[in-house]
Amino acid sequence: DAKTTQPTSMDCAEGRAANLPCNHSTISGNEYVYWYRQIHSQGPQYIIHGLKNNETNEMASLIITEDRKSSTLILPHATLRDTAVYYCIVRVEAGGTSYGKLTFGQGTILTVHP
Amino acid sequence: KAGVTQTPRYLIKTRGQQVTLSCSPISGHRSVSWYQQTPGQGLQFLFEYFSETQRNKGNFPGRFSGRQFSNSRSEMNVSTLELGDSALYLCASSKLTGTANTEAFFGQGTRLTVV
Repeated sequence: DAKTTQPTSMDCAEGRAANLPCNHSTISGNEYVYWYRQIHSQGPQYIIHGLKNNETNEMASLIITEDRKSSTLILPHATLRDTAVYYCIVRVEAGGTSYGKLTFGQGTILTVHP
Repeated sequence: KAGVTQTPRYLIKTRGQQVTLSCSPISGHRSVSWYQQTPGQGLQFLFEYFSETQRNKGNFPGRFSGRQFSNSRSEMNVSTLELGDSALYLCASSKLTGTANTEAFFGQGTRLTVV
């Protein structure tokens, strides 16, 4: 799976949009971008994933650049409960040898303040 | 529906002992993966099971093993515990449709402390 690079930490004011960047310059054509977050001492929580088109769900939006070398997770109206470590992961969607394996980096510590 | 259930939530063991952790996946999910999380190494993949077969394994010593039962429930075992095995052990389940993986759902983890 391709390696990802994320900033170590970011701050965001409550109610504002949080934009979390991720670089994955070695991503392959069949690799998806996944985002998870982990609130302190809990299991990681799935947020969103995408291949090349922008995606949106009830939690967030995922913007993937046209060359797919980077992406941005957007939390449109951050709340204090969004304070967590956010992980950007690149993985093959189907087949191959990476079944069930998520390779976590260090992630971005997002702190939402009042 | 019920999420991924891990038992026990907390465990204290002595060096040299062995431990077995349990994971019940979401109903209908056939893939179960295990991860170890420590402050120094972060989240690391241990192994993944599907239909009672281990399909993928991380870079951990043979003291770490697992199995999956016909009802998809999984257990992992750590033998000859070392202080460095103290960690949060997380289980994740996924529903496979055909050859496509879908998102993984994680349990709350088992906090293992080795003294």
